[in-house]
Amino acid sequence: QSALTQPASVSGSPGQSITISCAGTSADVGAHSFVSWYQQHPGKAPKLIIYDVNNRPSGVSNRFSASQSGNTASLTISGLQAEDEADYYCISYTTRDTLIFGGGTKLTVL
Amino acid sequence: EVQLVESGGGLGQTGGSLRLSCAVSGFDFTSFAMNWVRQAPGGGLEWVSSIIGGADGTFYADSVKGRFTMSRDKSKNTLYLQMNNLRDEDTALYYCAKGERHWYRGSFDYWGQGALVTVSS
Repeated sequence: QSALTQPASVSGSPGQSITISCAGTSADVGAHSFVSWYQQHPGKAPKLIIYDVNNRPSGVSNRFSASQSGNTASLTISGLQAEDEADYYCISYTTRDTLIFGGGTKLTVL
Repeated sequence: EVQLVESGGGLGQTGGSLRLSCAVSGFDFTSFAMNWVRQAPGGGLEWVSSIIGGADGTFYADSVKGRFTMSRDKSKNTLYLQMNNLRDEDTALYYCAKGERHWYRGSFDYWGQGALVTVSS
């Protein structure tokens, strides 16, 4: 099964908003409301920032929001800050009782 | 405090075996889904396997099914990943991750630091 499709890179200036898409199929993203998003800084373990499509764990900034439409999920980061520069991954539960990650998106804060 | 500490990584031969361990503390790990996720050098994240909370059902990615076995020892608060018939493409940093509920939905709220596995002939 191929990875979910994310843009390889996105960029934005401090204070701006960016959106990262995560395209799947009716067998994964479109089948459930179980999409999560992770932030990973270089050399660090991933950090959960969104679960169940649009829920933020305690302690995660409300600058992170997410949504889903059909087979595509999206993560939006508003008020970009330098510390947001990292890799971002989506993951979805599938109809085959497996999990599938996106290929990852490198966010550069200009 | 929730802690997950992986061990057992190292150099494995193509066709050989390795066993990873993940010692957990700070929570009842039998009540939550536990998971292994790997990341090849310079690559993205890949889900490997999960075991559900409250039961012993295990689930695997197609890439490791039939070769890897996930288990847990409740008396030792330790999760294991037995990796057999290793392939070069299994080379990766292997993370142990706690699910935030009993079923594995992809929401992993705590992660270990990772154990590096290198497979070479």
